[in-house]
Amino acid sequence: ETGVTQTPRHLVMGMTNKKSLKCEQHLGHNAMYWYKQSAKKPLELMFVYSLEERVENNSVPSRFSPECPNSSHLFLHLHTLQPEDSALYLCASSQDPRLHTEAFFGQGTRLTVV
Amino acid sequence: AQSVAQPEDQVNVAEGNPLTVKCTYSVSGNPYLFWYVQYPNRGLQFLLKYITGDNLVKGSYGFEAEFNKSQTSFHLKKPSALVSDSALYFCAVRDDSSASKIIFGSGTRLSIRP
Repeated sequence: ETGVTQTPRHLVMGMTNKKSLKCEQHLGHNAMYWYKQSAKKPLELMFVYSLEERVENNSVPSRFSPECPNSSHLFLHLHTLQPEDSALYLCASSQDPRLHTEAFFGQGTRLTVV
Repeated sequence: AQSVAQPEDQVNVAEGNPLTVKCTYSVSGNPYLFWYVQYPNRGLQFLLKYITGDNLVKGSYGFEAEFNKSQTSFHLKKPSALVSDSALYFCAVRDDSSASKIIFGSGTRLSIRP
């Protein structure tokens, strides 16, 4: 275990549903990330929070909405998704990004949009 | 902007032979380089990193990587491959200009045959 926990591990949702992915870290890190992993594509950085403030947003569609209520928790709220949004969603955390430390990843949420 | 290239989708090696997984990068500032491994249905696990100092860095499970500034490369190596090394390997980079971003390559699937 890396100290980063994601729930649920698997999620199947319809295109009209609203759901949320949760990520929790107990490592004392102050940066958290959402990545999308699709087959045969590079990991796509979606959002970065540092000290609970969003510092990166890589032109992700508005149907994905992140929330970082504190340095230990990160959510990804999902609504009106498309089938092409089906992927493995990975959460990660690291110490202050300016220290250039490595990120620790959760096991991911396998999302299927039907 | 940062970028990472892993030119090989797949690398096949016989057990006991040396292995190399290639990675090249492009950054505008100083590079901070990482290797991660992903086993099926799992998140990414950190293997090793180059921040500064010796160009040859050693990491987990007997892996090492060599930073080559002139060739902008950071190839992953192991002197003697094990069947259990079979997995998906990702190279990643941060740089000074955008420390909050960790950008990943597309991954290389390493297959070790007995």
